Amino acid sequence: QLQLQESGPGLMKPSETLSLTCTVSGGSISSSSYYWGWIRQPPGKGLEWIGSIYYRGSTYNNPSLKSRVTMSVDTSKNQFSLQLSSVTAADTALYFCATQLGMEVAGRFDFWGQGTLVTVSS
Amino acid sequence: SYEVTQPPSVSVSPGQTASITCSGDKLGNKYASWYQQKSGQSPVLVIFQDNKRPSGIPERFSGSNSGNTATLTISGTQAMDEADYYCQAWDSYTYVFGSGTKVTVL
Repeated sequence: QLQLQESGPGLMKPSETLSLTCTVSGGSISSSSYYWGWIRQPPGKGLEWIGSIYYRGSTYNNPSLKSRVTMSVDTSKNQFSLQLSSVTAADTALYFCATQLGMEVAGRFDFWGQGTLVTVSS
Repeated sequence: SYEVTQPPSVSVSPGQTASITCSGDKLGNKYASWYQQKSGQSPVLVIFQDNKRPSGIPERFSGSNSGNTATLTISGTQAMDEADYYCQAWDSYTYVFGSGTKVTVL
């Protein structure tokens, strides 16, 4: 069964660029079955989709974050990554990576990592 | 931007049926998915494409979607079903989540 593990900096300062990596085990990131997604959850709040990437590099992002988001895939390491620029306290959240089955209207997130907490504070 | 709305909380007695709604403009023309998130854990997909259950999800979880409302139904609710539940849909190139419904099993 697929397993996903996020890794990240933990604590950041405002205006820095957040870099997160999701390591995939139990399967190949080059699988044609999946997109790979990022979702975040501010403390005590709901879920927000950040963006999704296919192993060949095609991406689509939440328009509310689009200009700050960069995603990439490293097939040699079976990893995918997220960069979020110019972070503020509003970006403080638990960041999840997840597998996405289906596209667009049929898309859903069926396996999730345990999440990594990112805190933005001066 | 598209929004889906959920009630903040639903209470249910053990063995009874819990219904959680998710409302959005013409939501019935889209697919709804539902996620269960227990305290301190990652979300788990319990319903996709309105009414399909992933492997391993108990039959007591079911879904429907028509008009402007999608509904997640938990039949014979058990104490282990106490959790936050989120609906999710797709609109204008964005995956949108509801704000979540806390299900309390009294």
